[in-house]
Amino acid sequence: QVQLVESGGGVVQPGRSRRLSCAASGFTFSSYGMQWVRQAPGKGLEWVAVIWYDGSKKYYADSVKGRFTISRDNSKNTLYLQMDSLRAEDTAVYYCARPTTRDGSVFDYWGQGTLVTVSS
Amino acid sequence: DIQMTQSPSSLSASVGDRVTITCQASQDISHYLNWYQQKPGKAPKLLIYDASNLETGVPSRFSGSGSGTDFTFTISSLQPEDIATYYCQQYANLPLAFGGGTKVEIK
Repeated sequence: QVQLVESGGGVVQPGRSRRLSCAASGFTFSSYGMQWVRQAPGKGLEWVAVIWYDGSKKYYADSVKGRFTISRDNSKNTLYLQMDSLRAEDTAVYYCARPTTRDGSVFDYWGQGTLVTVSS
Repeated sequence: DIQMTQSPSSLSASVGDRVTITCQASQDISHYLNWYQQKPGKAPKLLIYDASNLETGVPSRFSGSGSGTDFTFTISSLQPEDIATYYCQQYANLPLAFGGGTKVEIK
């Protein structure tokens, strides 16, 4: 069965970096674009970034552009989110999500989420 | 960027009631709209895709309609297990955008 397992969350100081991982299993990871979505405590969902199935294209929300980098290692079935210059407003649960089709944006599988808290 | 305006932000209804949530896009998104359900502490769950298509395994009391800029999500007969927050999501263009959410409670 499809599984997405995020890791890497924790408490990080403002201005520092953190890398999140999303380990995928149960499907052909290299055949799907993947995305990150976040949710600040008590708030709604916010799209963060997408990477094409082969890593050839990447797009970001304006709120993270220039600070976050999405990447993937298809040989390890793993998606990453490198977060630099973190701010308090980046505090959120970060979800990785898989679409129903290769480059689609209808998400039928989500990870359980990993909480990133940016605080001094 | 496309903005999604969802209303109401919360509602309280009785078991068996018909519940309706609306979502308005700031520009024409055709049918590129999804609806998700999120329970506390859990990841979102896809209920409706392409505005009106019921995801496999989702009860038929859930439905969606609309196209262009105006969309509706309906629970025909509210059940206790439907207590959750519901989000619309457009995928006509990047950046993807979610509505602000509607928290559904039992009266």
